[in-house]
Amino acid sequence: EAGVTQSPTHLIKTRGQQVTLRCSPISGHTSVYWYQQALGLGLQFLLWYDEGEERNRGNFPPRFSGRQFPNYSSELNVNALELEDSALYLCASSLEGALKVETQYFGPGTRLLVL
Amino acid sequence: DQQVKQNSPSLSVQEGRISILNCDYTNSMFDYFLWYKKYPAEGPTFLISISSIKDKNEDGRFTVFLNKSAKHLSLHIVPSQPGDSAVYFCAAKGSQGNLIFGKGTKLSVKP
Repeated sequence: EAGVTQSPTHLIKTRGQQVTLRCSPISGHTSVYWYQQALGLGLQFLLWYDEGEERNRGNFPPRFSGRQFPNYSSELNVNALELEDSALYLCASSLEGALKVETQYFGPGTRLLVL
Repeated sequence: DQQVKQNSPSLSVQEGRISILNCDYTNSMFDYFLWYKKYPAEGPTFLISISSIKDKNEDGRFTVFLNKSAKHLSLHIVPSQPGDSAVYFCAAKGSQGNLIFGKGTKLSVKP
């Protein structure tokens, strides 16, 4: 069974640009989470989507946004990129709802470098 | 305000011996805890979890212990192998769905 997949694997952008990262969850998982791991920092929660709706967001500015599609895949959009947005962006999925499973499974991440 | 703390940034252990990684948390409402292993530039790999209704969970070489009164959990790896060398993250499931991670402990297992 395929795990969580993310694309692209690497990305280089310049300040002020916009970027879209993509994530496909494990088949059957309905929830998608986005995390940021900046250099030297731990994993910080960004966004949680379940059944197409944003359920919660972390302490990040509104220029970080996203959406979840009917097939449960998700996009993370970052507008007006800043140098400190350079980080590894991780997507995770889990099974929510009536058959809720607490464990989140992570994809390989997208490495974003902002110059 | 760090709700999940891993106070040891690094740990070095000889191959075949036990590795003990520690984690403390501050929020007594946390009811689910997880350990992940992570290599540089890769996503975290789930290792083992424990619900707050238990005090121990075992999976092969990995055992997690939970002490709710002390708000402390630990991951034991026995026997340690060189392939276990990685950064280990402790995480707690927050009330709003997200995982709250510690800063990680880098484990080095020497042959």
